[in-house]
Amino acid sequence: GAGVSQTPSNKVTEKGKYVELRCDPISGHTALYWYRQSLGQGPEFLIYFQGTGAADDSGLPNDRFFAVRPEGSVSTLKIQRTERGDSAVYLCASSLIFSGAPTSGGGDTQYFGPGTRLTVL
Amino acid sequence: AQSVTQLGSHVSVSEGALVLLRCNYSSSVPPYLFWYVQYPNQGLQLLLKYTSAATLVKGINGFEAEFKKSETSFHLTKPSAHMSDAAEYFCAVSTGNQFYFGTGTSLTVIP
Repeated sequence: GAGVSQTPSNKVTEKGKYVELRCDPISGHTALYWYRQSLGQGPEFLIYFQGTGAADDSGLPNDRFFAVRPEGSVSTLKIQRTERGDSAVYLCASSLIFSGAPTSGGGDTQYFGPGTRLTVL
Repeated sequence: AQSVTQLGSHVSVSEGALVLLRCNYSSSVPPYLFWYVQYPNQGLQLLLKYTSAATLVKGINGFEAEFKKSETSFHLTKPSAHMSDAAEYFCAVSTGNQFYFGTGTSLTVIP
């Protein structure tokens, strides 16, 4: 596609429910990133994939959160037993190669999707 | 640990005036530095990035930023503000696998 897409754009759920958020990266991009943006805050890194594998998942807040990218393209962020504090905009980004620092050999531009606004009642 | 500080959560400038958005970072190793812009109801868009080539980086829409190692700063500037520049601006640093964003600065342009 022309850009990164995320579905749904809005998700309202009840506390304790399970949700899945989907990200379609730009075709051919090997790196994919998930962020969470709370109101009035900057994006907070959650996890980054290089191909099918999670290269760094240390930003996931707890074991209720996990993400997959089984075929190295589409990724799904899964949240179990949602809590009100999970309410935020979840952002996905992709890059042709890894965007990280000189020490890890990166430098490519990340392209962001419009985000999924998750509201937990 | 790495972090990013954006001084001023809200900045207002008159149309045609200089735009200066401040960003300071902390990093124990050479970083990559980024500025992103977010327009209402849109995704983040890269304005410019510093990747250790030139310390003065030019980006899109007339923005530029200068990396100053001695001051650990990467301030964003534009000589003449336009109404269309009104948006949220985020500074970010990467020193490895993770990215750290600042809390953002909301820019208002007054006609």
